[in-house]
Amino acid sequence: DAGVIQSPRHEVTEMGQEVTLRCKLISGHNSLFWYRQTMMRGLELLIYFNNNVPIDDSGMPEDRFSAKMPNASFSTLKIQPSEPRDSAVYFCASGDYTGELFFGEGSRLTVL
Amino acid sequence: GENVEQHPSTLSVQEGDSAVIKCTYSDSASNYFPWYKQELGKRPQLIIDIRSNVGEKKDQRIAVTLNKTAKHFSLHITETQPEDSAVYFCAAGYNNNDMRFGAGTRLTVKP
Repeated sequence: DAGVIQSPRHEVTEMGQEVTLRCKLISGHNSLFWYRQTMMRGLELLIYFNNNVPIDDSGMPEDRFSAKMPNASFSTLKIQPSEPRDSAVYFCASGDYTGELFFGEGSRLTVL
Repeated sequence: GENVEQHPSTLSVQEGDSAVIKCTYSDSASNYFPWYKQELGKRPQLIIDIRSNVGEKKDQRIAVTLNKTAKHFSLHITETQPEDSAVYFCAAGYNNNDMRFGAGTRLTVKP
């Protein structure tokens, strides 16, 4: 398995534009987490899914953020409209019943 | 939800010395406590974990202890080496639910 795959690895966009980050889970994993990492706030849990169902989205900063899991192996995190304070590295991580999380390489977002 | 606090935020040790990082958690239902290492520009990767049915686990130079009564757990690195320099994160959750991370500890090992 190639591990958790995220795209794009880097994105630079202008304020007000829509941003879509993508994540492919490891085959057989049933949980999916989205985290945002900044120097100031560390690794923040935004939302997580179990068996494609969103369980807790209390970490999603605002209505501008939305996440979906249209099937068992794929998820998207969308920011619309984007703002400069959204600049961060966004990680997705997948896991199974054991609890261990496997992280993707992250998507570095810069909003100008 | 779970809340995890981690100390210290930065730690500098001399090569060969030991390093200890401590975390506390709030949710008594949490039963899984992993530690992740993140090197600069890379993804966090699991280095060791412990479950609530044991009090200590060791893997070569790394050990983790858990005190469920006090709701705290610690990472111990012995005989530190320069390649141990990284940011270390503790986390707590229930199986694969609600995995929350501490704020991280930046460890620097001076040669």
